[in-house]
Amino acid sequence: DTEVTQTPKHLVMGMTNKKSLKCEQHMGHRAMYWYKQKAKKPPELMFVYSYEKLSINESVPSRFSPECPNSSLLNLHLHALQPEDSALYLCASSQDRTGLVRTQYFGPGTRLLVL
Amino acid sequence: TQLLEQSPQFLSIQEGENLTVYCNSSSVFSSLQWYRQEPGEGPVLLVTVVTGGEVKKLKRLTFQFGDARKDSSLHITAAQPGDTGLYLCAGNSGNTPLVFGKGTRLSVIA
Repeated sequence: DTEVTQTPKHLVMGMTNKKSLKCEQHMGHRAMYWYKQKAKKPPELMFVYSYEKLSINESVPSRFSPECPNSSLLNLHLHALQPEDSALYLCASSQDRTGLVRTQYFGPGTRLLVL
Repeated sequence: TQLLEQSPQFLSIQEGENLTVYCNSSSVFSSLQWYRQEPGEGPVLLVTVVTGGEVKKLKRLTFQFGDARKDSSLHITAAQPGDTGLYLCAGNSGNTPLVFGKGTRLSVIA
């Protein structure tokens, strides 16, 4: 099973709302990632968690707040977003963050629209 | 900074034609992945290549990793409309995050 699940599939929110994106994997992977993808562009890395600890934050604005409650779950809390934050948000996981082969498996994404 | 140059950016071909997509870098990668992505969906892993010179086949798709592990290619034989999508190459090296190419948008016309 190489499945990463994400909920919700679609989300529309106002600039004053607070919402959360959820990601789950049951592959025993110890590294999990959040990416943001704009139309016709490759995914851009936002955060990396390794063994449930935040190891990389790619200078993401504080209105995005990641959380890793356990090794299978990854959340992204959203607050006071801007319309330009509208994008496809992708979660991915890999066996770990180091090592020669770090194949990442992606979830289906959450399409976010900020009004 | 590691870069993966992917070409061509766009490709529109007739059903039944063959095509090759290239992914090149001046950096050495310990492994390289190819993904296919449909609009509004997450990238789906097609293959991981690890060994220099490695060739892997997935039905009509053939993937090759360069001998020096700096480049890779994806060859599709007898393309079908179902092959339409965005093809992304992505490479791992050391402890740096995954590096993506800009993608090749393939359209196969019936």
